[in-house]
Amino acid sequence: NAGVMQNPRHLVRRRGQEARLRCSPMKGHSHVYWYRQLPEEGLKFMVYLQKENIIDESGMPKERFSAEFPKEGPSILRIQQVVRGDSAAYFCASSPYFGAGNTIYFGEGSWLTVV
Amino acid sequence: AQKVTQAQTEISVVEKEDVTLDCVYETRDTTYYLFWYKQPPSGELVFLIRRNSFDEQNEISGRYSWNFQKSTSSFNFTITASQVVDSAVYFCALSEDNYGQNFVFGPGTRLSVLP
Repeated sequence: NAGVMQNPRHLVRRRGQEARLRCSPMKGHSHVYWYRQLPEEGLKFMVYLQKENIIDESGMPKERFSAEFPKEGPSILRIQQVVRGDSAAYFCASSPYFGAGNTIYFGEGSWLTVV
Repeated sequence: AQKVTQAQTEISVVEKEDVTLDCVYETRDTTYYLFWYKQPPSGELVFLIRRNSFDEQNEISGRYSWNFQKSTSSFNFTITASQVVDSAVYFCALSEDNYGQNFVFGPGTRLSVLP
C-alpha cells in the first residue's frame, strides 16, 4: 500500500467545525475511493471518484459530506459542521484503472476526533 | 446483495500455533473478487491477496495460505506457525463485477498472537 498519501493522520475538531481530509493516490493511479471505519467496526464505502468526476457516492451521507478529486491536486473529503458521530478513521484508496475486481491500495488513514 | 461475514470477532493464539480466519460471503454475481487485508496496530491497511471467482486454486505465500471454496462460499485464511507480528485485525472483502467498485468488507477478526 506504499504510495497512497493521506493527511493529516490525526485531526481534532470541535463540534460545528469543518474537517478536510486529503488524499494523494499512488503514482499512476487515477481512481480514488474513500472509506470510513467507525470504532470497532469494518470499513464502509463512501465514494468513488475519478479525476473531476464523482462516479459512485452511494455511501456518502446526504448532508455535510462532500468529496472532490480535481484535475490538479489531491482528493479532498470535506465534512462540514462535524458532530461526535463523525469521529472515525477515514481511509483513502486508489487503483490504476477502472475495472471490476481491481485491487485497491489504501493509505494509512486519517483519524478524526470530534470533541 | 453482497455481504461478507467473519464470524470470529477475536482470536488469541500462542506463538507458533496455526490459526485459520474464516470468511463467508454472499453474492448473486457469478463473477466476483475476494480480498484479504491486514490492519496492524499502527492502523494502515495492507493488501494481502486478491482472488477471482473463476480461480479456486488454493494459494500459499510463505506462512500464509488461502482456501477458496465456492461450494461453501468461503475464503478462509490460514497463518502457519504464527508470530507476534501477525497480531492485527484481518478483513475479508468482496467486490462484484459491477460499475462503481464498491468493496464490501467484513467486520474483521482481531488476531492476537501471544509470545
